[in-house]
Amino acid sequence: DTEVTQTPKHLVMGMTNKKSLKCEQHMGHRAMYWYKQKAKKPPELMFVYSYEKLSINESVPSRFSPECPNSSLLNLHLHALQPEDSALYLCASSSQIGDNEQFFGPGTRLTVL
Amino acid sequence: QKEVEQDPGPLSVPEGAIVSLNCTYSNSAFQYFMWYRQYSRKGPELLMYTYSSGNKEDGRFTAQVDKSSKYISLFIRDSQPSDSATYLCAMSGRKNAGGTSYGKLTFGQGTILTVHP
Repeated sequence: DTEVTQTPKHLVMGMTNKKSLKCEQHMGHRAMYWYKQKAKKPPELMFVYSYEKLSINESVPSRFSPECPNSSLLNLHLHALQPEDSALYLCASSSQIGDNEQFFGPGTRLTVL
Repeated sequence: QKEVEQDPGPLSVPEGAIVSLNCTYSNSAFQYFMWYRQYSRKGPELLMYTYSSGNKEDGRFTAQVDKSSKYISLFIRDSQPSDSATYLCAMSGRKNAGGTSYGKLTFGQGTILTVHP
């Protein structure tokens, strides 16, 4: 299995809602990443997990809360988001942190009303 | 000045044409170079990964790196309508003394390519 899967594909939420994005990989990768991508822009790194521990937080607002329950799963918990947080949220994985061959999932398209 | 510059296009070519996509960069620490293809509303897909200066070929795709000029290219031969997508260059720095690198990719803006029949 050489795939990164993400659920849901689409999510619409209000500014007071709490929701979660999920990412899963079964490639045995020990580094997992969250990116945010706005339309016609490149992906922007948000968080990096290495061996289920948070290694990098790119100064992301606390309304985004990542979680890595095990080596195959990565969650992004969302709370009190703003309309400008609407974007495509991408998960990626690589064999180790620093391995530049990152494999991306299809993304979750998030709309905040 | 951005660390990585990539012409966003859009670029429109006829089927069968040779496509040349380019990125320039300013950070001498970049040692690893990647090209991703992203179809509309999908995640990026890794196409090519190179480390050293020179050429790397994979089917219709050739990646070229010139570290002395801080310039990388992706060539697509015999382009097909299915190649229509956004192409993103990405790069990252060398590994640190501890043997692990930061793991952060710096992307170009992406070039929108359309190959018309």
